[in-house]
Amino acid sequence: DAGITQSPRHKVTETGTPVTLRCHQTENHRYMYWYRQDPGHGLRLIHYSYGVKDTDKGEVSDGYSVSRSKTEDFLLTLESATSSQTSVYFCAIQKQGYGYTFGSGTRLTVV
Amino acid sequence: AQSVTQLGSHVSVSEGALVLLRCNYSSSVPPYLFWYVQYPNQGLQLLLKYTTGATLVKGINGFEAEFKKSETSFHLTKPSAHMSDAAEYFCAVSDENNAGNMLTFGGGTRLMVKP
Repeated sequence: DAGITQSPRHKVTETGTPVTLRCHQTENHRYMYWYRQDPGHGLRLIHYSYGVKDTDKGEVSDGYSVSRSKTEDFLLTLESATSSQTSVYFCAIQKQGYGYTFGSGTRLTVV
Repeated sequence: AQSVTQLGSHVSVSEGALVLLRCNYSSSVPPYLFWYVQYPNQGLQLLLKYTTGATLVKGINGFEAEFKKSETSFHLTKPSAHMSDAAEYFCAVSDENNAGNMLTFGGGTRLMVKP
């Protein structure tokens, strides 16, 4: 299985502050995704990347930005955190024919 | 656009009873269908998937699902529930099984298993 790690695992931040979440993979998978998980909504796509410096918006991208300067790292930034962004964030990579592999998640609380 | 509906956000069964988790999808093209399981404080892991071929798909931990095109369904079953099956289950759909094709998830079903 491809190694995928997310950091931090937990974070509490104040409203209005910027926050960056990191997703790191140990294999050279081209496609990487950021999802948020909220009760009753399942997982919703925030942004995805199809290569270095190649990213695009997902279903719920407002208030978020991403960067991918290296194949192995995909960063998600909340430019000015709001309470509605309190959620669990999952990164995923996609290996052709095998579906997604998910990280363990980052639990973010905005107070 | 694709969508997935999971009937029942919570399902409770007794240990040893049949597990049935429902999933209906909409897709304008032949779908690829997935079931993922999430244990507490963990990420999602693939349980099984349907791409092409046999419509009855077997997955890990004794689970299986049947693709029924006429009913646009992909229900997940297990003949006999075990306490360790307690988790949240997500159905997902994509229009291809190639890298780069995004998954659309249902809202999830939390399975509780009573002793």
